[in-house]
Amino acid sequence: AQKVTQAQTEISVVEKEDVTLDCVYETRDTTYYLFWYKQPPSGELVFLIRRNSFDEQNEISGRYSWNFQKSTSSFNFTITASQVVDSAVYFCALRSNAGGTSYGKLTFGQGTILTVHP
Amino acid sequence: DVKVTQSSRYLVKRTGEKVFLECVQDMDHENMFWYRQDPGLGLRLIYFSYDVKMKEKGDIPEGYSVSREKKERFSLILESASTNQTSMYLCASGRDSANTGELFFGEGSRLTVL
Repeated sequence: AQKVTQAQTEISVVEKEDVTLDCVYETRDTTYYLFWYKQPPSGELVFLIRRNSFDEQNEISGRYSWNFQKSTSSFNFTITASQVVDSAVYFCALRSNAGGTSYGKLTFGQGTILTVHP
Repeated sequence: DVKVTQSSRYLVKRTGEKVFLECVQDMDHENMFWYRQDPGLGLRLIYFSYDVKMKEKGDIPEGYSVSREKKERFSLILESASTNQTSMYLCASGRDSANTGELFFGEGSRLTVL
């Protein structure tokens, strides 16, 4: 079975603070993909990043960065110099074939509500 | 611009009513999904479809059925709505199983069952 855990239910920061959202996953597969999505108040999940299990390089995109560590089964997401517009629910997700074909379905974590105060 | 469109943003139904949630995608994707989102539980997969007329149960299919008569359209059906089905329902689509790309989501349908 596969599982994604986002232990932080809610995080509240003040604008310009850095914030890290934690994600821990479980899977027996050697090939898998990890994702982060952002859900703003409008409701639609917005794709942020995809990382495959063979690529442990950290990635930076503007104020966003991701730290993938297979040794600890973690895929953490950091927002540098947070802004009010970053306020949203953030989901970590996992796709693995688990011995068959997954048809692209994702297993999601519980989500972390991030509130950035001005 | 790619699009997944859900027919209703907000619905209020009574216990025992039949409820249809419609989803249309314009990306010619093979796979379509229905998730349910509840606070503290994240998104849980109800059903998915990998081809027209093909469907598979997800993690929480009880009380739901689905229909996929056309490639672009995937419907979620609550045969007899119950209060514990009050939730946000999210439709998503993605390419075939060999593709490792992301899923594209609609804006969600918030269903309240009284």
